[in-house]
Amino acid sequence: GQSLEQPSEVTAVEGAIVQINCTYQTSGFYGLSWYQQHDGGAPTFLSYNALDGLEETGRFSSFLSRSDSYGYLLLQELQMKDSASYFCAVRGYSGAGSYQLTFGKGTKLSVIP
Amino acid sequence: DAGVTQSPTHLIKTRGQHVTLRCSPISGHKSVSWYQQVLGQGPQFIFQYYEKEERGRGNFPDRFSARQFPNYSSELNVNALLLGDSALYLCASSGEDSKETQYFGPGTRLLVL
Repeated sequence: GQSLEQPSEVTAVEGAIVQINCTYQTSGFYGLSWYQQHDGGAPTFLSYNALDGLEETGRFSSFLSRSDSYGYLLLQELQMKDSASYFCAVRGYSGAGSYQLTFGKGTKLSVIP
Repeated sequence: DAGVTQSPTHLIKTRGQHVTLRCSPISGHKSVSWYQQVLGQGPQFIFQYYEKEERGRGNFPDRFSARQFPNYSSELNVNALLLGDSALYLCASSGEDSKETQYFGPGTRLLVL
């Protein structure tokens, strides 16, 4: 089975930097993804790490340490529009050439002026 | 290009009824996955279909079933609805060149009374 832990809520100031951590337990690991979901909206893909290290995409960066079963999402130069829920998700092998995503419960980020 | 589309957007049913939800993937995507998202939780994997074959199944009862059509669109069926089936049902598609990225539709919000 797979389980993920991430903080339920984080508050940060506009323009600041925030880090959302994710630890996971899984029987088979093929990568860690991050998704953003605004209230009433659909999850949208942010980043994917299959190997250890840092991946940078604009203001967002994601880090993975497979030996520690740990990753984080780093958001820089926070904007009000970044207020949303952020989910980490583990990509695991489910057999027959198929991979499935197991999501954490999400971190609700509130950006304040 | 159109994104993932789902219908209907909202649905109200009573206990014991059945429901059919529909999804059209992004053009060219052959893989479709279904997720259930209860308020305040992350999406939970229900099914994955690839080339009309079931490739993965989450921990859901047999009341849940799905299928994929030759045009890669998909249906999710839920029989004998329970109050606990009230949730946002998300469909996601992925392509051959980005299997780790799930593109989500806007979802169908189901309320069971």
